[in-house]
Amino acid sequence: QQQVKQSPQSLIVQKGGISIINCAYENTAFDYFPWYQQFPGKGPALLIAIRPDVSEKKEGRFTISFNKSAKQFSLHIMDSQPGDSATYFCAAIKAAGNKLTFGGGTRVLVKP
Amino acid sequence: ETGVTQSPTHLIKTRGQQVTLRCSSQSGHNTVSWYQQALGQGPQFIFQYYREEENGRGNFPPRFSGLQFPNYSSELNVNALELDDSALYLCASSFDRTNTEAFFGQGTRLTVV
Repeated sequence: QQQVKQSPQSLIVQKGGISIINCAYENTAFDYFPWYQQFPGKGPALLIAIRPDVSEKKEGRFTISFNKSAKQFSLHIMDSQPGDSATYFCAAIKAAGNKLTFGGGTRVLVKP
Repeated sequence: ETGVTQSPTHLIKTRGQQVTLRCSSQSGHNTVSWYQQALGQGPQFIFQYYREEENGRGNFPPRFSGLQFPNYSSELNVNALELDDSALYLCASSFDRTNTEAFFGQGTRLTVV
């Protein structure tokens, strides 16, 4: 059972465009939602995270939107750059939990 | 770069063999979690060690075992290797058990033939 579903699997965007990645979860016990960026041959790196008491969080060109009632959250990458080309994972952690539950990942390619 | 280092970076083993992977956690971190990442998929939680004790385990068989040492470094051991064990094994360290600020190493790519 996949507890965190991520879409799309892959995404191609032109330089300067907006990349949007969506995630949906089922377990209402999740209360922390980080996004990770992974380059080939590297481990995932924490990008930005949100808690469900906030509907939006912005850090630089990266924004998380959170819809608690729909149990959905999304990552927006504004002004996408070729250096943003990577695989992005959404994840979730339960309150007092100890493990990250990851989505399946989205491979983003930003064309110059 | 995070302060989490894993060794070796690549490894080829034969089915049925045993393997040990190593992880040095970031300075100040007392918690290490291990994840398995199959090709094209998200990481899956194997288990976590907090102050040398196992603190939670994912849906992996007992042939996956681990250790954490007094300096908080850790080992992942896999016995009786199967072809499906081929994956990237990731170690993540954090300063507490919640993993809200988990820092990942670069991983060990294990190939079982």
